[in-house]
Amino acid sequence: GESVGLHLPTLSVQEGDNSIINCAYSNSASDYFIWYKQESGKGPQFIIDIRSNMDKRQGQRVTVLLNKTVKHLSLQIAATQPGDSAVYFCAESENSNSGYALNFGKGTSLLVTP
Amino acid sequence: NAGVTQTPKFQVLKTGQSMTLQCAQDMNHEYMSWYRQDPGMGLRLIHYSVGAGITDQGEVPNGYNVSRSTTEDFPLRLLSAAPSQTSVYFCASSYFPSESSYNEQFFGPGTRLTVL
Repeated sequence: GESVGLHLPTLSVQEGDNSIINCAYSNSASDYFIWYKQESGKGPQFIIDIRSNMDKRQGQRVTVLLNKTVKHLSLQIAATQPGDSAVYFCAESENSNSGYALNFGKGTSLLVTP
Repeated sequence: NAGVTQTPKFQVLKTGQSMTLQCAQDMNHEYMSWYRQDPGMGLRLIHYSVGAGITDQGEVPNGYNVSRSTTEDFPLRLLSAAPSQTSVYFCASSYFPSESSYNEQFFGPGTRLTVL
């Protein structure tokens, strides 16, 4: 199948700085994208999602940007906190209304230093 | 609400043994799914269900069976365990996606399975 990948396997940021985690996808039919956060020993936690008819969506301290032209997705975390340290996964699906054929990337580890 | 619960948390099997991983949700979600996560990897979809009585295969279904007799429960069965099935298994559930709402998927805490 087509792949979902991340540009950087690890990212280290200082507390208070903004973080940007990138994700590339190759399936041009992808129309639904999700970011998850996974802390050690826990299940993934939903952060934010975006559909292909949008290019930006904001949540609490997080923003997802979608560039369909270059098949690129990013997650921006404002004022990064130590509690943000985790592995972040992007996932994509071809049809957001068909349920679960989510294709996950390998993950980026975010480390927040004081 | 308990959310998504999974049992057991840990399990060790011998090659050839069978077992069932349990998953339950109390949020009346239509969608449920099973993923496996291997070290350094993202999650890979094993099977999913869009409602009671309906299941479908994901990316890596071989060696696993599922059924969905009720909305709440979605057990995953390993028919004859193999070392390649050593992994962490996650169950997830969600409402039917809509244009106006977040399609938040809730994951259980996972089952760590080792096959010797």
